Amino acid sequence: AQSVTQLGSHVSVSEGALVLLRCNYSSSVPPYLFWYVQYPNQGLQLLLKYTTGATLVKGINGFEAEFKKSETSFHLTKPSAHMSDAAEYFCAVSDRGSGGYQKVTFGTGTKLQVIP
Amino acid sequence: DAGVTQSPTHLIKTRGQHVTLRCSPISGHKSVSWYQQVLGQGPQFIFQYYEKEERGRGNFPDRFSARQFPNYSSELNVNALLLGDSALYLCASSLSGGNYGYTFGSGTRLTVV
Repeated sequence: AQSVTQLGSHVSVSEGALVLLRCNYSSSVPPYLFWYVQYPNQGLQLLLKYTTGATLVKGINGFEAEFKKSETSFHLTKPSAHMSDAAEYFCAVSDRGSGGYQKVTFGTGTKLQVIP
Repeated sequence: DAGVTQSPTHLIKTRGQHVTLRCSPISGHKSVSWYQQVLGQGPQFIFQYYEKEERGRGNFPDRFSARQFPNYSSELNVNALLLGDSALYLCASSLSGGNYGYTFGSGTRLTVV
């Protein structure tokens, strides 16, 4: 069974500082990995995804993530935090469930606070 | 282009009642997945439909059911509502499933009193 662990339910950074949100996954097959962002009272928006190929993935709004198979990690980073980055971030993993469907499992989320 | 549309946006129901939530996916997307997001938690998988057939079901009781129509829109039905069913219900649209990313609607906020 696949699972996702996000370390730290709340992370605070100063505006302009590095953002690092941690995600570790468990999957019995090569995974597809995702980061989604959720602003208050809204649905989730896809930030970036890893499927195959290059392990460093660039997404929207200056975010990127690196797939490290040996560490089963997919940490999200951004060099310089902006006030508009304050939101909740979800890491997710997908592999094939029985019947061929693509079940996506989400982590519990990390709330990012950006301090002026 | 219209995104994923969910209706209603909010509703309040009494314990024991029935509720129907609706979702229209992005044009051309043939798969709809439903997720339940309880306050402070990540989304939990309920159902996935593709081409009008149920592909997968999460660990939810039989009170939860869904269907997908020929135009690929979908309904989620919940019977005999419990207080614990209070949550944000999210519809996720995709071409064939979640492996290349979902587009989510803004959700339906269900409050059971």
